[in-house]
Amino acid sequence: ETGVTQSPTHLIKTRGQQVTLRCSSQSGHNTVSWYQQALGQGPQFIFQYYREEENGRGNFPPRFSGLQFPNYSSELNVNALELDDSALYLCASSSPSGNYEQYFGPGTRLTVT
Amino acid sequence: GEDVEQSLFLSVREGDSSVINCTYTDSSSTYLYWYKQEPGAGLQLLTYIFSNMDMKQDQRLTVLLNKKDKHLSLRIADTQTGDSAIYFCAERAGSARQLTFGSGTQLTVLP
Repeated sequence: ETGVTQSPTHLIKTRGQQVTLRCSSQSGHNTVSWYQQALGQGPQFIFQYYREEENGRGNFPPRFSGLQFPNYSSELNVNALELDDSALYLCASSSPSGNYEQYFGPGTRLTVT
Repeated sequence: GEDVEQSLFLSVREGDSSVINCTYTDSSSTYLYWYKQEPGAGLQLLTYIFSNMDMKQDQRLTVLLNKKDKHLSLRIADTQTGDSAIYFCAERAGSARQLTFGSGTQLTVLP
């Protein structure tokens, strides 16, 4: 069984640029959630995708957007990057039939300069 | 609103038991989780408990839930140096889609 994978591992961008992060969900999981983890803090929920539609959103501005594809993989897009967007971005997949356990990928470390 | 709190640091001697505590505010929490994060890595799900339970044991891990006080704890028996990591408590409230995490407890295991 393949776990959750994310790419790239690390990324450096300049303020004002746009970035796309990618996630492949665990086999059999059709729900993907994205979280932002700033240094020294717990993960903060950005949004969730289920069956290619946004299924819940946290307190993040519209410049954070996402997509889910028919194979359940997902993208997180961030426009007009700000310095405070520097963080570890975590993707988690889950199955609605389970006990809502979310299984996390290794994350993408984004640095905005 | 939802809020999950944890103490920031815990140090124990190798072979001792570790107890990591967590409090939450949302009385509609349905599931509560413990995750482990090692340096530079993602989060590893350790265990979870449903809100109608008060205890769950899984090998060296014991989870205790006091729903009245909204207090959750994770006990690690016979703590090893490989257990050194940050431990996060998280809750899923009601029908919410997301997990709400605490700030994490840095566990240091001393030889």
